[in-house]
Amino acid sequence: AQKVTQAQTEISVVEKEDVTLDCVYETRDTTYYLFWYKQPPSGELVFLIRRNSFDEQNEISGRYSWNFQKSTSSFNFTITASQVVDSAVYFCALSEMGGGADGLTFGKGTHLIIQP
Amino acid sequence: SQTIHQWPATLVQPVGSPLSLECTVEGTSNPNLYWYRQAAGRGLQLLFYSIGIDQISSEVPQNLSASRPQDRQFILSSKKLLLSDSGFYLCAWRLVPGEQFFGPGTRLTVL
Repeated sequence: AQKVTQAQTEISVVEKEDVTLDCVYETRDTTYYLFWYKQPPSGELVFLIRRNSFDEQNEISGRYSWNFQKSTSSFNFTITASQVVDSAVYFCALSEMGGGADGLTFGKGTHLIIQP
Repeated sequence: SQTIHQWPATLVQPVGSPLSLECTVEGTSNPNLYWYRQAAGRGLQLLFYSIGIDQISSEVPQNLSASRPQDRQFILSSKKLLLSDSGFYLCAWRLVPGEQFFGPGTRLTVL
């Protein structure tokens, strides 16, 4: 069975601070995808990144960066120089690769609050 | 381009009443379709998925059912709502593994 754990229920930082959101996953599959989504107060899920299990390269996109470590089954997300607009709930998710329905298994989310 | 619609956006229903939430996808054919629920303070849970017309699989036992009468239409239903059915319902679709596109969601409150 797949499982995603986001141990940080809520994080509050002051604007311009860096913040890291943790994600630890469990799966028996050797091939899988990992995702991060942002959920602003409107509720819609905004896709941020997808990573496949073959690619452990870290990725940077503007102020966002992701650290994928298969050895520790972690896929952490860092926001550099945080801004108030970054305030949202962030979800980490996992799905199997290949055939099948591959619905996503989500963590419970981390509520990020950026204070001005 | 592909778009996904859900309606209604919000719904308040009494306990014991029926439910019908609709999801439609435009601009694609034969997608996999999914229903997720987000209960208050919790993550998203996969409820149903469908790989084709009239092909529905349930991930968790519950008071809800799903149907796919057309290729790009996915309906979530209940004959009698429970208080515990309250939540935010999201529909999603995908064509190839590793992608998942979500609709705007329906916020359901059961009183």
